[in-house]
Amino acid sequence: EAQVTQNPRYLITVTGKKLTVTCSQNMNHEYMSWYRQDPGLGLRQIYYSMNVEVTDKGDVPEGYKVSRKEKRNFPLILESPSPNQTSLYFCASSLSPLVAGGGDTQYFGPGTRLTVL
Amino acid sequence: RKEVEQDPGPFNVPEGATVAFNCTYSNSASQSFFWYRQDCRKEPKLLMSVYSSGNEDGRFTAQLNRASQYISLLIRDSKLSDSATYLCVVNLSGGSYIPTFGRGTSLIVHP
Repeated sequence: EAQVTQNPRYLITVTGKKLTVTCSQNMNHEYMSWYRQDPGLGLRQIYYSMNVEVTDKGDVPEGYKVSRKEKRNFPLILESPSPNQTSLYFCASSLSPLVAGGGDTQYFGPGTRLTVL
Repeated sequence: RKEVEQDPGPFNVPEGATVAFNCTYSNSASQSFFWYRQDCRKEPKLLMSVYSSGNEDGRFTAQLNRASQYISLLIRDSKLSDSATYLCVVNLSGGSYIPTFGRGTSLIVHP
């Protein structure tokens, strides 16, 4: 089954304790991205990756890191989480980026609900 | 001014009703347009892409109006299962890889 998986689905942590949210897709997609969703703000992109070893900042990258060592995995790293990073996080992938004139379906993972105390 | 704007609703409609949502975008260079559906606390899922000529998928019709810079979604014969939040997504041209999401429009279909 084609899917995007994220782990953990729920996490409560404390300020400053490093954490990683994993994301994996089994569709051989080139493009992967991370979003956060907050009430009243909608989905905002954190980072994206065009392919292995190619990553770039989205709209709200501060406080996050990513890596893309393999095509299927795109972990999100919070080196020193803070309460303002409490949010619902989604990983997404698509065969190719949403470039002009084109547009591939983005497949989203089930989400990770993070609470930073 | 937010780049992509949607009326948050909620739109409360009875089963069988026809309902329409609009989504306005501010950047005339926008090239790709989509409607996603998101159920409460779940991941967004693509509902339909929006093409210049308009497109229809069963009870759903999407339209693009470039002159007025908005896209629309029309749902006919609403079902209870259509209750969800509908997200408008816009992508710019010129190699932008950061899609812009609207905040979503909430639809509640009641018996």
